[in-house]
Amino acid sequence: SQTIHQWPATLVQPVGSPLSLECTVEGTSNPNLYWYRQAAGRGLQLLFYSVGIGQISSEVPQNLSASRPQDRQFILSSKKLLLSDSGFYLCAWRVGSLNTGELFFGEGSRLTVL
Amino acid sequence: AQSVAQPEDQVNVAEGNPLTVKCTYSVSGNPYLFWYVQYPNRGLQFLLKYITGDNLVKGSYGFEAEFNKSQTSFHLKKPSALVSDSALYFCAVRDGVTGANNLFFGTGTRLTVIP
Repeated sequence: SQTIHQWPATLVQPVGSPLSLECTVEGTSNPNLYWYRQAAGRGLQLLFYSVGIGQISSEVPQNLSASRPQDRQFILSSKKLLLSDSGFYLCAWRVGSLNTGELFFGEGSRLTVL
Repeated sequence: AQSVAQPEDQVNVAEGNPLTVKCTYSVSGNPYLFWYVQYPNRGLQFLLKYITGDNLVKGSYGFEAEFNKSQTSFHLKKPSALVSDSALYFCAVRDGVTGANNLFFGTGTRLTVIP
């Protein structure tokens, strides 16, 4: 069966420090992968999605970047964190077809920037 | 443009009573609609989806949702609420014509089931 892993689960970082959040998917090949941010326990904002190795689309200009070095690995990064980067970051992959498939989410990474 | 609205931030219901969590949507093409549930500090879990066909969709944990095209709604329902149903519920929509790679989420409705 397919599983999705995110780490670290919790991270506390000072302003200006770098960030790396990792997401890996098992049990599927060539998945469409997504990074969402959830602020204040509410709405989700799509940050990046990837349809294949090295292919990244950004939905919102920001202090973050994403990379997909391997088929089932998706990394969210920042060179210098801002206070506003705090939030709950969720990685997801799409099950099924492009339009009708649902997203399957990881357990999330909670980032606090101090 | 596509959007989804969840008009209630909070819904309280007594255990054993029926529950409804409301959702309305706006898309330019055919709507593909989804419901997710989130427990504290966890990722979102898929409950059910409407793609086409029967307007009443049944999903996980006894939940169901009814697609109403004329009212552009997709309300989540359960005949008898459990305390364990207390969580944050998200409605989401994807535009079948233009929105292939983005699933737009509502702001969530916090459901509290009172014992």
